[in-house]
Order: sequence, then C-alpha cells, then structure tokens
Amino acid sequence: GAGVSQSPSNKVTEKGKDVELRCDPISGHTALYWYRQSLGQGLEFLIYFQGNSAPDKSGLPSDRFSAERTGGSVSTLTIQRTQQEDSAVYLCASSLDLPKDTQYFGPGTRLTVL
Amino acid sequence: GENVEQHPSTLSVQEGDSAVIKCTYSDSASNYFPWYKQELGKRPQLIIDIRSNVGEKKDQRIAVTLNKTAKHFSLHITETQPEDSAVYFCAATDDYKLSFGAGTTVTVRA
Repeated sequence: GAGVSQSPSNKVTEKGKDVELRCDPISGHTALYWYRQSLGQGLEFLIYFQGNSAPDKSGLPSDRFSAERTGGSVSTLTIQRTQQEDSAVYLCASSLDLPKDTQYFGPGTRLTVL
Repeated sequence: GENVEQHPSTLSVQEGDSAVIKCTYSDSASNYFPWYKQELGKRPQLIIDIRSNVGEKKDQRIAVTLNKTAKHFSLHITETQPEDSAVYFCAATDDYKLSFGAGTTVTVRA
C-alpha cells in the first residue's frame, strides 16, 4: 500500500513568513509523529498524535511551531514567522497504535529560510 | 530525557569487511532500540530493532546486540556491499518518543 507522503518536498521562504507542511500517514495508522532533521544531525522529536488523545507537544522548540491533525489522519505542521535556524528537513512518521510499533517515515520536506 | 550518543560519526570499510556502530543511552527505562538506514535523499527506513528482553538479534547480514547493564547497543554489518553505503541512526525509547543518535555515515569502498 501507499507509504507516508509529505508535501511540499521542498519549500523556500523568506524570514518572517509563515509556512505549512503537510503529512498524509499510512491508512489505518493511528499514531503520527513529526521530527526535524538539521544538517548532519539526528532526528529531533517535535510532536506526537495518538488517536483522539491530546498530542504530546513537548518537542516543539518554540511557540512559533504548532501542529494539528484533522479527522485522525492528515496532519499539518505550521511554523510562524520563520527564522533561518528553522531551516531543516521536517519528517513525518506514522505507526500502528502501540507505542513501540515501527515508525514509517515520509520523504520529508526540506525547508530553507532565506 | 533520554540522551543517545553514537560512534563513530563516519566509517569507511572495504567491501566484504564488517562494520560496527555503537550507541550508548542514558535512561535505564529505555527498552526499545531501533536502527534506521537513510540513503542519500531518501527517507529513514527501519532495518532492525531489539527489545530489552533479548541480548542479540540477527537478520541476514545485520545484527544488533544490547547490553542493558552498560546501557549500550551496537549494529554489526557483515560482508559489506556497496548498497550498504548510507547514514545509520540508532534510537532508544521507553514509550513512543524516539531519541536518535547523530548518525554514522558508512562508506563501503569497492
């Protein structure tokens, strides 16, 4: 079946602008994660959604970052007033409902803030 | 929170030789340890994982060992091939929030 998809694949924006990144998880996966991968670094956890439970937002780096998940499926990560340090690859992953089920990653969105 | 350190950051091996990547973690409650492979420009993909009730797991040319007492785990790739060239990430968790190492760039020389 189809894997996790993300759009856009690349996004170039100017400092101060808002951006929205989209993630479509694998059908039937109730858990959804956002990670950030800066150049030469590992993956940094941002936020976790599980079913109808309140999301775990503990990894969001500032209040400029927010995310929502509509209808238990598609998720949008929004970064307001982007800064150059926001430049990174943003990866989405999804898994079945158990906490340590395999996380399947999307191809990522490469964000460049000029 | 969990802190995962990964070594080495780069590794160059001759085709056919073995490659070993080591990770240490800080939280003794962690009990799930996956390894991901990320080829250039591609998404990370799970290649093997281990849970804390076992000490070693193998899948063809790859194996992972876990030492809970010392809080470290390792990835072993035998008979390396050019297609093994990639960045490898280890991770650890006790629930759903994976903490990743910084990655190891493996280059297999023909």
